[in-house]
Parts: sequence; structure tokens; C-alpha cells
Amino acid sequence: EAQVTQNPRYLITVTGKKLTVTCSQNMNHEYMSWYRQDPGLGLRQIYYSMNVEVTDKGDVPEGYKVSRKEKRNFPLILESPSPNQTSLYFCASSLAPGTGPDTQYFGPGTRLTVL
Amino acid sequence: KQEVTQIPAALSVPEGENLVLNCSFTDSAIYNLQWFRQDPGKGLTSLLLIQSSQREQTSGRLNASLDKSSGRSTLYIAASQPGDSATYLCAGTNNAGNMLTFGGGTRLMVKP
Repeated sequence: EAQVTQNPRYLITVTGKKLTVTCSQNMNHEYMSWYRQDPGLGLRQIYYSMNVEVTDKGDVPEGYKVSRKEKRNFPLILESPSPNQTSLYFCASSLAPGTGPDTQYFGPGTRLTVL
Repeated sequence: KQEVTQIPAALSVPEGENLVLNCSFTDSAIYNLQWFRQDPGKGLTSLLLIQSSQREQTSGRLNASLDKSSGRSTLYIAASQPGDSATYLCAGTNNAGNMLTFGGGTRLMVKP
């Protein structure tokens, strides 16, 4: 089954404790992206990756890091989480623009609470 | 900077009614416009994608239109059903095809 998986689905942590949210897709997609969703602010793009070893900032990259060492994986790293990073996080993937259908496939989300 | 707005923020209709959800965007230089559905506690599911060169797309009871010159897209849902109750989001992709800007969503409730 074609899908994007995220782990963990739920996480409660404390300020300053480094964490990683994993994202993996099985559709051989070149493009992957991370979003956060907050009440009243909607979905905002954090980082995206056009292909392996190529990443770039979205609209709200502060406090986040990403890496793209393999095509299928795109982990989101919070080196020193703060309470304002409490949010619902989504990973998404698609074919590279112009190479086929641009439909974005989203993971189920990770609900993060930073105390 | 692209801004995407969806009106109304919430909508409640009786079952069987035809309805239109609106999406407006400030920068007409978009690569495509996508409509998504989000159920409570779930991820987003793509419904329709309209390329910048297209005017509309249809899937079953759903029809989405795109008017770049006026910066507007609409999602038409025919013969609404209670199972259509969800939040509907539109998103514009920039010309490079690498960044999406989402609207705030329309929360739809279809009453039996």
C-alpha cells in the first residue's frame, strides 16, 4: 500500500530535550516536506527536500533541522524543543514537479507537546 | 508572499444540498492549486489538483475550478452527504513547484 508513515504519532517531552520525528514513504517520491498545523494559523511549511541531499527552508524553519540521506526518509529534528513548538506535524511526499502527477500524499500526523 | 484565504470558515448544510467552497489567493503565479480533505485527528487526503494551465477538474460529485486572473478557486460538492463532513483545505503551489501555501480551511457539516 502506498503510504507516508510518521513516528511517533504522539509525543510529550520537556523543553530542551532533543527529539526526532521520522518520516518514510514507499512511493519512490523525490519531493518530501514537513508542515506544522496550529489553530488559527493553519498549515505552514517548515522544510522541504527536492531530492536526496537537497533541502531548503519553508516559511517557518526556525528551531528545526532536517536531513535527506535516503530517498525514502526525511526526519525532522528538534535540537532544543521549546513550548512554542507544540503542534501537529505532518510529513508529505510527491513526485518532483513536472515529472508526473503533483498530488501530495500526507502522513497521519505527529502530535507533539513540549512542556 | 502568497496568501490563501478560504471563506466561509464553517458551513452547515442539510443533506442533499449542493454547495460551493471558496478559495482566494493573492499571487496568480501558481504552479497548481490543490484541494484537500481533513477528517478530525487525521492527515490530509488530496481531492483534486488543478494545474495552472487548466480551468477545472472533476472527481465524482466534486468539481474544482481555477481562475488565475481573479485569484480564485471553488470546490463544488453536489448532493452533499453526511460522510462529506470534514474540513476542506485549498493550497497553492508556487511557480517553482516546491512550496505550498494553505488556506485556513472550511469546516463543513452535512446534517442528515
